[in-house]
Amino acid sequence: GAVVSQHPSRVICKSGTSVKIECRSLDFQATTMFWYRQFPKQSLMLMATSNEGSKATYEQGVEKDKFLINHASLTLSTLTVTSAHPEDSSFYICSALGQTGTQYFGPGTRLLVL
Amino acid sequence: DAKTTQPPSMDCAEGRAANLPCNHSTISGNEYVYWYRQIHSQGPQYIIHGLKNNETNEMASLIITEDRKSSTLILPHATLRDTAVYYCIVRVGGGNAGNMLTFGGGTRLMVKP
Repeated sequence: GAVVSQHPSRVICKSGTSVKIECRSLDFQATTMFWYRQFPKQSLMLMATSNEGSKATYEQGVEKDKFLINHASLTLSTLTVTSAHPEDSSFYICSALGQTGTQYFGPGTRLLVL
Repeated sequence: DAKTTQPPSMDCAEGRAANLPCNHSTISGNEYVYWYRQIHSQGPQYIIHGLKNNETNEMASLIITEDRKSSTLILPHATLRDTAVYYCIVRVGGGNAGNMLTFGGGTRLMVKP
């Protein structure tokens, strides 16, 4: 149980385009999901907290207009990187909060912006 | 959330027990100790968590000192597939949306043949 999926697993895009990443909780409902970013040789950094049916809460320094988050259902949250640039290249990881308070993570999405 | 301190790296021989320490001297009474690990290029994997009692599951054991200021994650028979970065995180328990995880540097465990 407690499986979280992400799609796509990796994506390469041109600078200036937008990329959407999906995060799904496969066998449980999650009113809250989290989005993290991880640069090479660094730890995970929380970007935002996604709440079903309401606006996401962004961490300081994360541009909400650039990283659009939608949590339309109890099993799906999406992160859209708008007008992506090379500096947005990173490993994006989502997690879903289970009822007991444990976070379960997806496998991650590697984004490369050329 | 309380800050944790972990050694940056450790080695362990395959088949032997791996004991990963974590200091959390400023932990509050309602904060749990969580352990996750991240294998290269994958998302973190939940291992175990506890409040004050020792815990054991199919993956590992968690030993928490009586004063709760430190803990040890034990992998009883380490395999090469246990090579990963192990994160010790303390946070308030429950399904509260505000209970986010703050990742530190973790311990890079290298299991050697």
